[in-house]
Amino acid sequence: GAVVSQHPSWVICKSGTSVKIECRSLDFQATTMFWYRQFPKQSLMLMATSNEGSKATYEQGVEKDKFLINHASLTLSTLTVTSAHPEDSSFYICSALRGLSMNTEAFFGQGTRLTVV
Amino acid sequence: KNEVEQSPQNLTAQEGEFITINCSYSVGISALHWLQQHPGGGIVSLFMLSSGKKKHGRLIATINIQEKHSSLHITASHPRDSAVYICAVRRGGSGGGADGLTFGKGTHLIIQP
Repeated sequence: GAVVSQHPSWVICKSGTSVKIECRSLDFQATTMFWYRQFPKQSLMLMATSNEGSKATYEQGVEKDKFLINHASLTLSTLTVTSAHPEDSSFYICSALRGLSMNTEAFFGQGTRLTVV
Repeated sequence: KNEVEQSPQNLTAQEGEFITINCSYSVGISALHWLQQHPGGGIVSLFMLSSGKKKHGRLIATINIQEKHSSLHITASHPRDSAVYICAVRRGGSGGGADGLTFGKGTHLIIQP
């Protein structure tokens, strides 16, 4: 099956620093990728939609200047958490779509657990 | 009210039991996904449904579009089935499209030996 690779799987960083998370589709091209965030004991929540070659679309309440998304190729999207704060500590997971219209399938990365200290 | 509601929130059963997890949604959708999340956080897509029923091994997923309801069944449950099962919907009409998923809160399933 299709594989989406997310890296790193966990990261600890100091408050004020930036962290980059990569999401790659390994065996298919993904024009659209999604970034989700999950706080403990809560649902996954969509942060932004990443479209290859264009600006990301952010959900309400998600700061685009803080969470920088770059979808530079059909197989790679990156999420950079800038000036991280402890409240940004969360589980971040990406998803890539494969296929068209009604046959579109979603594949998920392994997730990145971010801890800001 | 959440757009995607799952029940039960928690379920503990004995090995071998037949398991049913329910999902109701309140928006128009183009597809519904059943996902499995393990303690480490990784998510595996189990099914994507837009109508009818799908079966994979001991897992069966059904959807009733008119009633806006889906069920995930596990037959002959096993301790390795213990995980969080998440229902997620993709909004929209028949075009599908590139919309993010809206997730339910998940069902924590524990299968005891």
